[in-house]
Amino acid sequence: SAVISQKPSRDICQRGTSLTIQCQVDSQVTMMFWYRQQPGQSLTLIATANQGSEATYESGFVIDKFPISRPNLTFSTLTVSNMSPEDSSIYLCSVAEGGNSPLHFGNGTRLTVT
Amino acid sequence: AQKITQTQPGMFVQEKEAVTLDCTYDTSDQSYGLFWYKQPSSGEMIFLIYQGSYDEQNATEGRYSLNFQKARKSANLVISASQLGDSAMYFCAMREGQDDKIIFGKGTRLHILP
Repeated sequence: SAVISQKPSRDICQRGTSLTIQCQVDSQVTMMFWYRQQPGQSLTLIATANQGSEATYESGFVIDKFPISRPNLTFSTLTVSNMSPEDSSIYLCSVAEGGNSPLHFGNGTRLTVT
Repeated sequence: AQKITQTQPGMFVQEKEAVTLDCTYDTSDQSYGLFWYKQPSSGEMIFLIYQGSYDEQNATEGRYSLNFQKARKSANLVISASQLGDSAMYFCAMREGQDDKIIFGKGTRLHILP
């Protein structure tokens, strides 16, 4: 399965600032997704990162707050903009090959906003 | 309405016993896939097992098996001969139809007792 490198692994940020999270995959993948896991909660899909076009956002998530880039089939970034303490979560990059293939996850970025 | 329901927030099981983690799902699609993931305290997401809606046999992977009851829309995970290392959070997830994204249930925290 694909090896996913996500960085930073953790960060502590001040409110009002922005953080960009990078996701690098060691092979070309069809689909890349960004999830958020709030403390003690399940995973919630933020958006599907589409190669060469705008990301597809889920209900409750908007591009101004979570801009996403996907310049090629192996790389994507998620930016958490104008952060508040409510944005403190684990952010996870995931990839799938399509069809019946499972999602494979990076190790996540633990974000704390103070 | 929730698409994936996991009714057991937490479970305590004696080591070496078998354990069943419940999962029911809601979909009107004929084609869908069901997944189970394990998340230990380290936070990584580990794919365990997959069941396709058209699969006639229950999926098995080592000590993991999926008790798939299509008419009841349930996809319970069975772990045989539980081990201390099985203590973790377990998430049931579903991919519907031609959709690429996977949605997750709220999870069950499993504690294996020595």
